Amino acid sequence: DAKTTQPTSMDCAEGRAANLPCNHSTISGNEYVYWYRQIHSQGPQYIIHGLKNNETNEMASLIITEDRKSSTLILPHATLRDTAVYYCIVRPSRGSQGNLIFGKGTKLSVKP
Amino acid sequence: ETGVTQTPRHLVMGMTNKKSLKCEQHLGHNAMYWYKQSAKKPLELMFVYNFKEQTENNSVPSRFSPECPNSSHLFLHLHTLQPEDSALYLCASSQPSLYNEQFFGPGTRLTVL
Repeated sequence: DAKTTQPTSMDCAEGRAANLPCNHSTISGNEYVYWYRQIHSQGPQYIIHGLKNNETNEMASLIITEDRKSSTLILPHATLRDTAVYYCIVRPSRGSQGNLIFGKGTKLSVKP
Repeated sequence: ETGVTQTPRHLVMGMTNKKSLKCEQHLGHNAMYWYKQSAKKPLELMFVYNFKEQTENNSVPSRFSPECPNSSHLFLHLHTLQPEDSALYLCASSQPSLYNEQFFGPGTRLTVL
């Protein structure tokens, strides 16, 4: 089972920031938070990951609370092409691969 | 070709057919994965290969048979499937160390009649 909780769906106006929350209250000290997204009929796409510090790349920013029990993915200027299902994943530490366990994610709809 | 490619993109097969799905990655990775995504269900990990060796089989029925002849290619051989096996089958690859991100192909949409 996924170790994260996300809202089922969210709307965002085009050009505005999209803030996607994720709760991971049982995260352990050596587990990372990963975000992927899946645009309709495509494979998932890696966005960003972090351990405890905030992270930023060309796609998004990741804000992790100090207690690491929750995080927020920020798309600073959402476009219509950002409409997708966004998955927050806590990377398990078992095994040699740290397998991804996907939950149901948040369906983000960016509207004009 | 760049990234992870999958063929065919769409496949319709009968329950008595034998078919194969192909995945190829051009990223120099040494770990490859098969996932299944059924309608309205989360992605489910099926198999993991690390340097051509299978390191994980997530209790997948034997009618699904993976093959990894080299680090760039991964196959999923299908035989005597059931209609409930209809799904999007996704391949991914990564560098084989903990916490490296996975790169996914576009998937094969499989329909079993």
